[in-house]
Amino acid sequence: EVQLVESGGGLVKPGGSLRLSCAASGFTFSNYNMNWVRQAPGKGLEWVSSISSSSSYIYYADSVKGRFTISRDNAKNSLYLQMDSLRAEDTAVYYCTRGYSSSFFDFWGQGTLVTVSS
Amino acid sequence: QSVLTQPPSVSAAPGQKVTISCSGSSSNIGNNYVSWYQQLPGTAPKLLIYDNNKRPSGIPDRFSGSKSGTSATLGITGLQTGDEADYYCGAWDSSLSAYVFGPGTKVTVL
Repeated sequence: EVQLVESGGGLVKPGGSLRLSCAASGFTFSNYNMNWVRQAPGKGLEWVSSISSSSSYIYYADSVKGRFTISRDNAKNSLYLQMDSLRAEDTAVYYCTRGYSSSFFDFWGQGTLVTVSS
Repeated sequence: QSVLTQPPSVSAAPGQKVTISCSGSSSNIGNNYVSWYQQLPGTAPKLLIYDNNKRPSGIPDRFSGSKSGTSATLGITGLQTGDEADYYCGAWDSSLSAYVFGPGTKVTVL
């Protein structure tokens, strides 16, 4: 059974940093692209970042480019999102998702809430 | 302002059919695959349709997808109260080098 479990969310002040983690199990992690998708309270889905299976290709939404860094450790079956210079508008539930090419996200974690507030 | 457009809401009685449109451009829907996601209240999104019209294992055939040009459509037949959810379309945008989602459509069963 595919499982994606996010952790690392919490309350942080504007300008602060946070590192999200996603522990993957139930599939060969190193064979799949991975992604972060977020959802602000009461709002729709927003793609944040994608990383290819070998970390060769990395993409970011314009809204986080230069502030967020996606990475992965295939030996640990883990995906990460380093979030710096956080803003109030980054407040959202962050979902770890497994991707197939750049076409779709077939499995989603339960999400971790990040709140940026003073 | 979303790159993809969807109606904010659709509704129908139990047993009826609803369709949800998703309109984009040649840089996203026109030249890339479309996927659809269902988000039940308080839960994570779930993949409903991929590659325009394919259903993952476990998704009933009441759900269908189609694409024509720069638009895509999700159809739900035999509407059930358990189908009340938000539905999102998505596609890769080759010009933006970004994945884009529609704003979501809320389905209400009357």
